[in-house]
Amino acid sequence: IAGITQAPTSQILAAGRRMTLRCTQDMRHNAMYWYRQDLGLGLRLIHYSNTAGTTGKGEVPDGYSVSRANTDDFPLTLASAVPSQTSVYFCASSVSGLTSTDTQYFGPGTRLTVL
Amino acid sequence: AQSVAQPEDQVNVAEGNPLTVKCTYSVSGNPYLFWYVQYPNRGLQFLLKYITGDNLVKGSYGFEAEFNKSQTSFHLKKPSALVSDSALYFCAVSAATGGSYIPTFGRGTSLIVHP
Repeated sequence: IAGITQAPTSQILAAGRRMTLRCTQDMRHNAMYWYRQDLGLGLRLIHYSNTAGTTGKGEVPDGYSVSRANTDDFPLTLASAVPSQTSVYFCASSVSGLTSTDTQYFGPGTRLTVL
Repeated sequence: AQSVAQPEDQVNVAEGNPLTVKCTYSVSGNPYLFWYVQYPNRGLQFLLKYITGDNLVKGSYGFEAEFNKSQTSFHLKKPSALVSDSALYFCAVSAATGGSYIPTFGRGTSLIVHP
């Protein structure tokens, strides 16, 4: 059982370039999330999706977009990367985002550096 | 709005001694509280959660947490620390946000257990 996979593991990107971070889960969870982790700031929610076909904005959505065409995949796109988007990005999933008791399952992360 | 505070950036404890990692929260309505652990270069892993019922919650790896409603706290504890417990610990609170339950994470506390 793989759980959640993320790709790439790490990436160095020139400012202004477009980049898509991939996230796939095999647990058939309804809800998926994207977080960024920055030193001293903890985890901040970028976007989320409660079910395939729906998405919502989190705490720091600017400069990012997501799509949820099916249950398993939840890609995060940076249309035009900027250095402030240098961070570690985590994808997560839960059985149902509508349930307050949900535990989240996290992927291994993508370390992104924007120069 | 909901929020979580982890007042200590770092906690140092000797192996074999008890440990406490502090967390306080602020929510409207009933709080649903979580602890996650992050080992170096890994994603977060679920440790335990409080939903309702007994204020003392037991979780993975011998950890437990005590929910204190009057102090709005949910401190993580372990009777006897191990060097392998050294990691980054995150407290999270979940409450209703526009019909969904999206967790808010604290900034994290680095636990260092000395041999």
